[in-house]
Amino acid sequence: NAGVMQNPRHLVRRRGQEARLRCSPMKGHSHVYWYRQLPEEGLKFMVYLQKENIIDESGMPKERFSAEFPKEGPSILRIQQVVRGDSAAYFCASSPMAGSSYEQYFGPGTRLTVT
Amino acid sequence: AQTVTQSQPEMSVQEAETVTLSCTYDTSESDYYLFWYKQPPSRQMILVIRQEAYKQQNATENRFSVNFQKAAKSFSLKISDSQLGDAAMYFCAYPVRGSQGNLIFGKGTKLSVKP
Repeated sequence: NAGVMQNPRHLVRRRGQEARLRCSPMKGHSHVYWYRQLPEEGLKFMVYLQKENIIDESGMPKERFSAEFPKEGPSILRIQQVVRGDSAAYFCASSPMAGSSYEQYFGPGTRLTVT
Repeated sequence: AQTVTQSQPEMSVQEAETVTLSCTYDTSESDYYLFWYKQPPSRQMILVIRQEAYKQQNATENRFSVNFQKAAKSFSLKISDSQLGDAAMYFCAYPVRGSQGNLIFGKGTKLSVKP
């Protein structure tokens, strides 16, 4: 059973370009969480999705950021018109069920560098 | 606001010795889960141990154990017989109140293991 997959592992974008980060959850998991980790910081929650639904986007900036988890295919975190402050590691995690008692399995992260 | 505090930015331990990493948190809930995650240089987030707050018995996983003091809202991680492979960032985390499992992370403790 493959773990959570994220690609690309490293992504370099110039200011103003778009960044697309992909996350394939573990087989059988339909709950996906996205987190952002700035240098020297812990992870910070961005958005929680189920298939075809955004459940909680309270941690996601209201502008330039969007997320989706279609019926088929990976979850996508999209950052439009990137700025230097978007440089960070972005992790997704998946879980078989929602709720505080279920372990979240993390992917290896995508390191975004904005030049 | 819910918070997680890891007061030790860096710790060092001699190989085969024991080290304790501290974590305090703030929640008004009575039933919740607490987690310790390890992030080695590969940046992959790995669950080390999980504690259920309603259980008085401290969780253990091989060389890893916790000292859970519910009244003091303290959740420290003890690593016994430290190994070189234990060198990593360690993050304490717990779910946001009322969320679907979104985790709040501390800023982390960087553990070095000396041979």
